[in-house]
Amino acid sequence: DQQVKQNSPSLSVQEGRISILNCDYTNSMFDYFLWYKKYPAEGPTFLISISSIKDKNEDGRFTVFLNKSAKHLSLHIVPSQPGDSAVYFCAASASSWGGGGNKLTFGTGTQLKVEL
Amino acid sequence: GAVVSQHPSWVICKSGTSVKIECRSLDFQATTMFWYRQFPKQSLMLMATSNEGSKATYEQGVEKDKFLINHASLTLSTLTVTSAHPEDSSFYICSATPGQGAQQYFGPGTRLTVT
Repeated sequence: DQQVKQNSPSLSVQEGRISILNCDYTNSMFDYFLWYKKYPAEGPTFLISISSIKDKNEDGRFTVFLNKSAKHLSLHIVPSQPGDSAVYFCAASASSWGGGGNKLTFGTGTQLKVEL
Repeated sequence: GAVVSQHPSWVICKSGTSVKIECRSLDFQATTMFWYRQFPKQSLMLMATSNEGSKATYEQGVEKDKFLINHASLTLSTLTVTSAHPEDSSFYICSATPGQGAQQYFGPGTRLTVT
């Protein structure tokens, strides 16, 4: 079963506008969330993360929002740039996984295209 | 920043043969390494967690006898796909972390094609 879902497989945004990528999860044990950016035939690159004790984390153009009650997080990119075009994955982790504390469950990804 | 390499970047092999993929942490010691596979337009699926010096922990549904993982040192883990079949064709990605709670750093991936 897909515990982390990204329901939009693709998103197209104009340069300079805001990109909003969404992610939903079902496992209430998840308490740490991450966003990764991935180009074809490359490994994911870490973007930003958030702990469940927070509802917002910001790093430059990237902001992640977490709504625990809705089991929903989103990544905002503003302003969007053509170089942001890539596949974005959200991932979740549960600190209670003991030895596998870093074990990540990934969403299905959203292809972002930023157009000129 | 932390760098993780994978070798080879792509490999084509015949059905029935075995293929070894290496994952190295170049500038840090990785107490834990993870192996993922990704099918086209799908999510990264965790296959196994590998701690240095101990047996790998496989996720449900992953055949441990088919996907042999060895984590012999703090900078190297290997994944061997034994008796490969066309359905094993996929993109295999490793990640490494210096410790529990620390960030995972991903390798560039290995494209395996079994003919």
